[in-house]
Amino acid sequence: EVQLLESGGGLVQSGGSLRLSCEASGFTFSTYLMTWVRQAPGKGLEWVSAIDRSGINTFYADSVKGRFTISRDNAKNTLYLQMSSLRAADTAVYYCAKDAGYSDGHEVFDYWGQGTLVTVSS
Amino acid sequence: DIQMTQSPSTLSASVGDRVTITCRASQSISRWLAWYQQKPGKVPKLLIYQASSLETGVPSRFSGSGSGTEFTLTISSLQPDDFATYYCQQYNRCWTFGQGTKVEIK
Repeated sequence: EVQLLESGGGLVQSGGSLRLSCEASGFTFSTYLMTWVRQAPGKGLEWVSAIDRSGINTFYADSVKGRFTISRDNAKNTLYLQMSSLRAADTAVYYCAKDAGYSDGHEVFDYWGQGTLVTVSS
Repeated sequence: DIQMTQSPSTLSASVGDRVTITCRASQSISRWLAWYQQKPGKVPKLLIYQASSLETGVPSRFSGSGSGTEFTLTISSLQPDDFATYYCQQYNRCWTFGQGTKVEIK
């Protein structure tokens, strides 16, 4: 059974940093692109960042580029999101999700973690 | 960046109704379009990918169509379990979600 377990969320002051983790199990982690998606309270889904299976290629939304860094440790089956220079607008539930594997180069997300809440106080 | 616009933002419907949600892309995305369902307090669930392919386990009353910049999600006969928020997502170039369409009970 595929499981994605996020951790690392919490309350942080504006300008601060936080590192999120997503522990994966139930599938061959190293063979799938992984992604982070966030959802501000009462708002819609916003794609944040993605990383290919090797960890070499990374992708970021304009809203987080230069502040967030995605990485993965395939030996530990874990995805990370290092967040710095945090702003109130970054307050959201952060989900990690895995690629469904239907098409190389065009990925959709079939399994999602339960999310971890990041609250940035101003 | 590719922008995705859904309409309507909210839809009131009754059980048994046929429901259609539209999603427009700011530029052509071929058929790289997915639909997700999200219920309150739950994680998003993939319903349809590549514009019209039904994800395993998703009821056949859900269908998707379109290509280029215009796409639709149709629920042929709305069931009580279908009241939720639906999001389209382009995955032609990076990823972008629409703002969501809430399907509520009339």
